[in-house]
Amino acid sequence: NAGVTQTPKFQVLKTGQSMTLQCAQDMNHEYMSWYRQDPGMGLRLIHYSVGAGITDQGEVPNGYNVSRSTTEDFPLRLLSAAPSQTSVYFCASSSQSLKAFFGQGTRLTVV
Amino acid sequence: GQQVMQIPQYQHVQEGEDFTTYCNSSTTLSNIQWYKQRPGGHPVFLIQLVKSGEVKKQKRLTFQFGEAKKNSSLHITATQTTDVGTYFCAETDSWGKLQFGAGTQVVVTP
Repeated sequence: NAGVTQTPKFQVLKTGQSMTLQCAQDMNHEYMSWYRQDPGMGLRLIHYSVGAGITDQGEVPNGYNVSRSTTEDFPLRLLSAAPSQTSVYFCASSSQSLKAFFGQGTRLTVV
Repeated sequence: GQQVMQIPQYQHVQEGEDFTTYCNSSTTLSNIQWYKQRPGGHPVFLIQLVKSGEVKKQKRLTFQFGEAKKNSSLHITATQTTDVGTYFCAETDSWGKLQFGAGTQVVVTP
């Protein structure tokens, strides 16, 4: 079982570059979310989706866009990378049981 | 901002000892979930508590939800090196969004 798959695992960007972090789940979960993890701050919600075609902002959405064209995929786009976006990014999915499954994470460095 | 506060931030434990980590909120929580994240890994779901005063056990781990649903605790007995990691509590809403605490980082010395 693949579960939640994130790519890439590591990425280095220059300030101002754009990129897309990919997230796919094969559990037919309705709910998907993106979090960033910074030292001492736990995980903070960036964007979330409750189903295909429906997305909304979380706690820290600035500088990020999302879309959900299918149930399986929930990509996160960085529009113009900044050093403050250096972080570890996690994608998660859950069903109505609300038990969240996380991907392996993407470690992003912006220089 | 964060609605749930976790204490302590760091916990150094001798192998074989017991310890407890706490999760507190100023407001009533609808539920509480606990996750474990190994160093370099991703959060893994441990348990969900929903009812006031609920207690659940998983082998050496005991999870409790306070009577007023404003706090929760995780107690680990006879700590092992496999218990190393960061333990997070989180409240989830009906759409699967999680509000995490900052976590308790556990270091185990043999």
